[in-house]
Amino acid sequence: DAGVIQSPRHEVTEMGQEVTLRCKPISGHDYLFWYRQTMMRGLELLIYFNNNVPIDDSGMPEDRFSAKMPNASFSTLKIQPSEPRDSAVYFCASSFLIIDSTDTQYFGPGTRLTVL
Amino acid sequence: GNSVTQMEGPVTLSEEAFLTINCTYTATGYPSLFWYVQYPGEGLQLLLKATKADDKGSNKGFEATYRKETTSFHLEKGSVQVSDSAVYFCALSDPSGGSYIPTFGRGTSLIVHP
Repeated sequence: DAGVIQSPRHEVTEMGQEVTLRCKPISGHDYLFWYRQTMMRGLELLIYFNNNVPIDDSGMPEDRFSAKMPNASFSTLKIQPSEPRDSAVYFCASSFLIIDSTDTQYFGPGTRLTVL
Repeated sequence: GNSVTQMEGPVTLSEEAFLTINCTYTATGYPSLFWYVQYPGEGLQLLLKATKADDKGSNKGFEATYRKETTSFHLEKGSVQVSDSAVYFCALSDPSGGSYIPTFGRGTSLIVHP
């Protein structure tokens, strides 16, 4: 398997623009997670899906952030409008159905977002 | 709630030195414990895990022992290499709160010099 695929790997945009990050999870995985990583706050869980349904979005910082998972092989994280403080590395991760606490997550390579 | 505390980095070592990265946790139940590693420019990947007290996880020369009495899961390696330079994350998964979603520490950066 190719692993979790994210695109783009790097995104530079100007404040106020819409940004869309994309993720393709590992085939067969039931859970999909979006994380944000910054020096100040470390790794933050933004939202996660189970079987394409959003389960917990309490980590989404503001209404400017939205995430969708239209099917089992694709998810997007959108920021509209973007702000400089959104600059971070955004990771997508996926895992099998979590039936016990030993299950692990598989991370994509991340998208480095810079908002000028 | 659950939490993971790691020693702050960066940890800077010379090649072949002994490594310890401390990790302690707080959990309401009986968690599984993990170490993930993030190499430059990449996503996190599982390094090792342990699911019950006194279990030792090991991989690529790294080891960590689940110590319930001290609520710790310290990462060790006897002889580090330049290629071990990365950020290391301690994490736990505790289903007692109704969720298996892992809780991650802040990460500890390791820099190994030749």
